Amino acid sequence: GAVVSQHPSWVICKSGTSVKIECRSLDFQATTMFWYRQFPKQSLMLMATSNEGSKATYEQGVEKDKFLINHASLTLSTLTVTSAHPEDSSFYICSARAQGGNTEAFFGQGTRLTVV
Amino acid sequence: GQQLNQSPQSMFIQEGEDVSMNCTSSSIFNTWLWYKQDPGEGPVLLIALYKAGELTSNGRLTAQFGITRKDSFLNISASIPSDVGIYFCAGQSPGGSNYKLTFGKGTLLTVNP
Repeated sequence: GAVVSQHPSWVICKSGTSVKIECRSLDFQATTMFWYRQFPKQSLMLMATSNEGSKATYEQGVEKDKFLINHASLTLSTLTVTSAHPEDSSFYICSARAQGGNTEAFFGQGTRLTVV
Repeated sequence: GQQLNQSPQSMFIQEGEDVSMNCTSSSIFNTWLWYKQDPGEGPVLLIALYKAGELTSNGRLTAQFGITRKDSFLNISASIPSDVGIYFCAGQSPGGSNYKLTFGKGTLLTVNP
C-alpha cells in the first residue's frame, strides 16, 4: 500500500511554455500533499504544501504565480510550472500523507523537467 | 529555522561491512524518518520513529530515535551492492503545521563489491 504515482517521469519543454505535473495517491486518500524541488546532489527543498480543497501554502521565496498548485481531490494534486525558464529545470518530487495517518509521507518517483 | 545536520556526507565501504549514519537537530523533533533515494527516483521510506528512545529494525536496517529527541541514527548491517544510494533523515517538529518535514542533506553510500 501507500503508493504515490507522479506523471510524467520526465519532460522537456521550450522556454515560455507551461508544464503540468500530476501527483496521485493510488491506494489511499491524501489530505495533504507536498511539492519539493531537488537540484543535483542536494537535498529536497519544500516548495509548497497543499491541502485538499484549499489554497496551497508556499514556502518563503517560492513564487505562487509561477508554481501553480491545485489539490482538487483527495487523490490528485497538480503542479503547473508557468512560463518556464531554463533555471526552472530541476527534479520535482511530490509526497502525500494519508488521511488520519501518521507523519510519514510517501513520495512519487519524481519528474525531471528540462527547459530548453 | 530548524537546523538538521546529517553525517557523514558520503561513505565508501566494502560489501559486507556495517554502516552507520546520523542526524542531529538544533531543536526537538516528534518524528524521525529515514529515506533512501536511488538516482532519478523519489525517496523511499525505510523506517519511521515516533517515540524518544525507540529502536526499530527493518531487515538489515536499524534506526533509533534519540532520547533527547534531537538526534537519530541509522545502521545498515552486512552491506550489499544494492544498498548504494543517498540516505536522508527527516524530522517533524512539535506544533508543526501540516506535518512538514525537515530533511537532512543526505549521506551518499557507495558499496564496493
